[in-house]
Amino acid sequence: EPEVTQTPSHQVTQMGQEVILRCVPISNHLYFYWYRQILGQKVEFLVSFYNNEISEKSEIFDDQFSVERPDGSNFTLKIRSTKLEDSAMYFCASKTWTGYSPLHFGNGTRLTVT
Amino acid sequence: GESVGLHLPTLSVQEGDNSIINCAYSNSASDYFIWYKQESGKGPQFIIDIRSNMDKRQGQRVTVLLNKTVKHLSLQIAATQPGDSAVYFCAESSSGTYKYIFGTGTRLKVLA
Repeated sequence: EPEVTQTPSHQVTQMGQEVILRCVPISNHLYFYWYRQILGQKVEFLVSFYNNEISEKSEIFDDQFSVERPDGSNFTLKIRSTKLEDSAMYFCASKTWTGYSPLHFGNGTRLTVT
Repeated sequence: GESVGLHLPTLSVQEGDNSIINCAYSNSASDYFIWYKQESGKGPQFIIDIRSNMDKRQGQRVTVLLNKTVKHLSLQIAATQPGDSAVYFCAESSSGTYKYIFGTGTRLKVLA
């Protein structure tokens, strides 16, 4: 069964450093998402991406965050200058079409900012 | 390993019994609902979904019930097994928005 893959599984970075989290969505999917989850808490929406542009973003997704689909297969989340409070699990998700279809999630990247 | 988070509501059931996990939502415009299962160290895994034009949908060992009047969603798991132990999240979406909003989650513990 096709799946969303995320790398790395764990990323440790120092405060103020840039970090890029990578995702390969399911190949025929068109809509891409990033969510985050702090220490097993609620799964929070960050951003959705369709047709090479951001379709929706949350208040969390400020100017420090950006997303990109550089080559038609990878989907990346960049945090320009990490803060301690960015420490969380970051999940990538994708879905096949607009309307009533579920998101399919990867297993996440654990980001630890020290 | 186990993640420590907020005090998630916990439901403990005996193996073989049925489980009912509840979710309340607040947005009356929500018209699509999904249940996810999250095991430790993994991403949310799709279980079952339902559109707002239905009030019940069944899958393999799982049933989702939707009560739009009181904005309530439930997930029923028949003959609960140890492998069902996980955190369960409901998520909602509405037409005209791309995002799916997750609820706070319920931890299901299956007792042998």
